[in-house]
Amino acid sequence: DTGVSQNPRHKITKRGQNVTFRCDPISEHNRLYWYRQTLGQGPEFLTYFQNEAQLEKSRLLSDRFSAERPKGSFSTLEIQRTEQGDSAMYLCASSLGVSDGYTFGSGTRLTVV
Amino acid sequence: QKEVEQNSGPLSVPEGAIASLNCTYSDRGSQSFFWYRQYSGKSPELIMFIYSNGDKEDGRFTAQLNKASQYVSLLIRDSQPSDSATYLCAVNIAGAAGNKLTFGGGTRVLVKP
Repeated sequence: DTGVSQNPRHKITKRGQNVTFRCDPISEHNRLYWYRQTLGQGPEFLTYFQNEAQLEKSRLLSDRFSAERPKGSFSTLEIQRTEQGDSAMYLCASSLGVSDGYTFGSGTRLTVV
Repeated sequence: QKEVEQNSGPLSVPEGAIASLNCTYSDRGSQSFFWYRQYSGKSPELIMFIYSNGDKEDGRFTAQLNKASQYVSLLIRDSQPSDSATYLCAVNIAGAAGNKLTFGGGTRVLVKP
């Protein structure tokens, strides 16, 4: 499978718990992005990696959110002390070049109860 | 003003007709423009990209770009029920770190048999 893989597909968690999502990009893609999408809205940028370097992080992202991409391969997105407002689809995407479009993974749907 | 704006719809189109979707963007420095299709509960998939003023055709899809007026449009010819989805416009702003795309809120298209 040469697509972008995200795990888990669904996550239900209680408010206040920490959650971690994983993204495996297309192997030759050095650019990796995390977006968040709520119902009826377009994807909202969270953060971006080029290889292992995190080059940009959205101002909207609180300090409860952290992302890593060790060794420039897979990436993880952690949300600490989850809140109900964190409930959303978390999308990972990767791309090869500056002018290329993204290939998205299937997403992780988070529900905070 | 949102950076990328789309009419949320729904845009109701009879089967076989042409669906016309519009997108406006605020930053004159924008360089690359993408259209994604998103089925309900699924992740976005890239259907077209355009970089230069004018038209670009790919099968039943035509993207049109007018940088002077800061809009990009998508035409879907011979619309089919399977085209019923939300269509997302995405814009890459020149100088944005690593090809970060900014998405519009999407236009929901309903093709009626």
